[in-house]
Amino acid sequence: DSGVTQTPKHLITATGQRVTLRCSPRSGDLSVYWYQQSLDQGLQFLIQYYNGEERAKGNILERFSAQQFPDLHSELNLSSLELGDSALYFCASSPRDRRETQYFGPGTRLLVL
Amino acid sequence: QQQVKQSPQSLIVQKGGISIINCAYENTAFDYFPWYQQFPGKGPALLIAIRPDVSEKKEGRFTISFNKSAKQFSLHIMDSQPGDSATYFCAASMNSGYSTLTFGKGTMLLVSP
Repeated sequence: DSGVTQTPKHLITATGQRVTLRCSPRSGDLSVYWYQQSLDQGLQFLIQYYNGEERAKGNILERFSAQQFPDLHSELNLSSLELGDSALYFCASSPRDRRETQYFGPGTRLLVL
Repeated sequence: QQQVKQSPQSLIVQKGGISIINCAYENTAFDYFPWYQQFPGKGPALLIAIRPDVSEKKEGRFTISFNKSAKQFSLHIMDSQPGDSATYFCAASMNSGYSTLTFGKGTMLLVSP
């Protein structure tokens, strides 16, 4: 158990809908990262937050947005969902003194029908 | 543009054998190279990592070999066990690991009993 929690574990929704994925980092970790994992693209970095502020952006679509709250939990919002958004979404966090080490949560499996 | 190329895509090794997974990178600014292990239904977990100031790092049965001039690094799993069956991802980042991770596409390893 990495100490990173993600909810929900599974999510089934329809095209055009909007969903919110939630992540709680390990206690004391200020950095949160979001990744998308699909069979053809592998693990793709989406976005990083550090202590509430956006730190880096990767291959995140404009239909996707994220934020990190004062209690350090983070939410990833996916809107106008398409079939191709079906994937595993992982959150990771890293400690202040070893920011190169990322601890991954168990992921949220999103299925868009 | 895929900045970290990983091979092979899948690998079958007999119990007790050596598993070898290779990665090549393009960006010479990368200076931190971790390997992650992912079991089905779980998030990736850091296995071992290396920085370019050393050519090899060993932790138990796992060894990273690093060739800076060739811009390649590899993971060797000695005395492979069925419990090692998982997907392995190489990754790279800049700024001593403080930047985001760029992952290879993964290698599915099956160790046959």
